[in-house]
Amino acid sequence: GENVEQHPSTLSVQEGDSAVIKCTYSDSASNYFPWYKQELGKGPQLIIDIRSNVGEKKDQRIAVTLNKTAKHFSLHITETQPEDSAVYFCAASAGGGADGLTFGKGTHLIIQP
Amino acid sequence: GAVVSQHPSWVICKSGTSVKIECRSLDFQATTMFWYRQFPKQSLMLMATSNEGSKATYEQGVEKDKFLINHASLTLSTLTVTSAHPEDSSFYICSAKSGGASDTQYFGPGTRLTVL
Repeated sequence: GENVEQHPSTLSVQEGDSAVIKCTYSDSASNYFPWYKQELGKGPQLIIDIRSNVGEKKDQRIAVTLNKTAKHFSLHITETQPEDSAVYFCAASAGGGADGLTFGKGTHLIIQP
Repeated sequence: GAVVSQHPSWVICKSGTSVKIECRSLDFQATTMFWYRQFPKQSLMLMATSNEGSKATYEQGVEKDKFLINHASLTLSTLTVTSAHPEDSSFYICSAKSGGASDTQYFGPGTRLTVL
């Protein structure tokens, strides 16, 4: 089955700086890669996703890049703000998202004021 | 749009009892719903996939007789934890997918289960 590795487990950045979180996946059949933000005690919130026919996608301060050859994808957050502090999970799925998601272990992002 | 709710948000029960958790898609019809479990400070692990009107598909290692899933309509799926034990204490989260061109999974707020 699919295995998703996520790094780093904790990331601390100064407010206003950029943050990058990286994930790798093992199953070449995976073609859907969402990123979720989870705050304490709440369910995950989708922040951005990318499909395998696209190399990069951007939504305001958030961007995701995908390298299918290397089987890795990354989340980029620019101009970080205190409210960006949370746990971020990457995930992968085959079937364009029709299948269940395999999640990475999560990154605790801390924005230092 | 794309709101998923869960009920209850938290529940405490005695060991040996059964607990039912509801997952509803409020503003769309969910062809497929998924159930995940998340232990403290860990990632989400897929438990089962539920399609409306058919039997759920369970992931390896998940006991189907212990975690009963019913997906009776396009907006409701239920997870029943039978004969709960303290090791079943966890955060249970459902997600729903509308299908079609958008295969995005939208997650519910989760249900915190504590078994005494």
